[in-house]
Amino acid sequence: GENVEQHPSTLSVQEGDSAVIKCTYSDSASNYFPWYKQELGKGPQLIIDIRSNVGEKKDQRIAVTLNKTAKHFSLHITETQPEDSAVYFCAANAGGTSYGKLTFGQGTILTVHP
Amino acid sequence: GAVVSQHPSRVICKSGTSVKIECRSLDFQATTMFWYRQFPKQSLMLMATSNEGSKATYEQGVEKDKFLINHASLTLSTLTVTSAHPEDSSFYICSARGLAGADETQYFGPGTRLLVL
Repeated sequence: GENVEQHPSTLSVQEGDSAVIKCTYSDSASNYFPWYKQELGKGPQLIIDIRSNVGEKKDQRIAVTLNKTAKHFSLHITETQPEDSAVYFCAANAGGTSYGKLTFGQGTILTVHP
Repeated sequence: GAVVSQHPSRVICKSGTSVKIECRSLDFQATTMFWYRQFPKQSLMLMATSNEGSKATYEQGVEKDKFLINHASLTLSTLTVTSAHPEDSSFYICSARGLAGADETQYFGPGTRLLVL
């Protein structure tokens, strides 16, 4: 089955700096890669996603890049703000009979210091 | 759009009782709903996949008689934790995936914190 590795596990930045979180996946049939932000005690919130037919997608301060050959994708947050502090999860779908299921990375605790 | 609700948000129960958690898609129809379990400071662990009108598919190691899932309509799925024990205490989160074509986007509910005494 799919295996998703996420790094780093914790990331501390100063307000205004950029933050980058990286994930690798194992299933070459995966074609959908969402990123979720989870605040303490809440459910995950979709912040951006990318499909395998594109290499990059941006939404204001957030961008995601995908390298299908290397099987890795990354989340980039620019001009970080204290409210960006949360746990971020990457995920990848599983192709074939597991269509629709997501496998999640281990999570990255992002702390943005004012 | 794409709002998913869960009820209750928190529940405390005695060991041996059963607890039902509801997951609703409020503004879209969900062909598939997923149930996850999350322990403190850990990632989301998929428990089961629920399709409307059919039996749920459970992940390996998840007891289907322990965690009963019903997906009676396109907007409602329920998870019942039967004969709950302290080790069932956890954060349970559902997600819903819509009808639109090949859209695999999953929208998550706010989660239910279960504490079994």
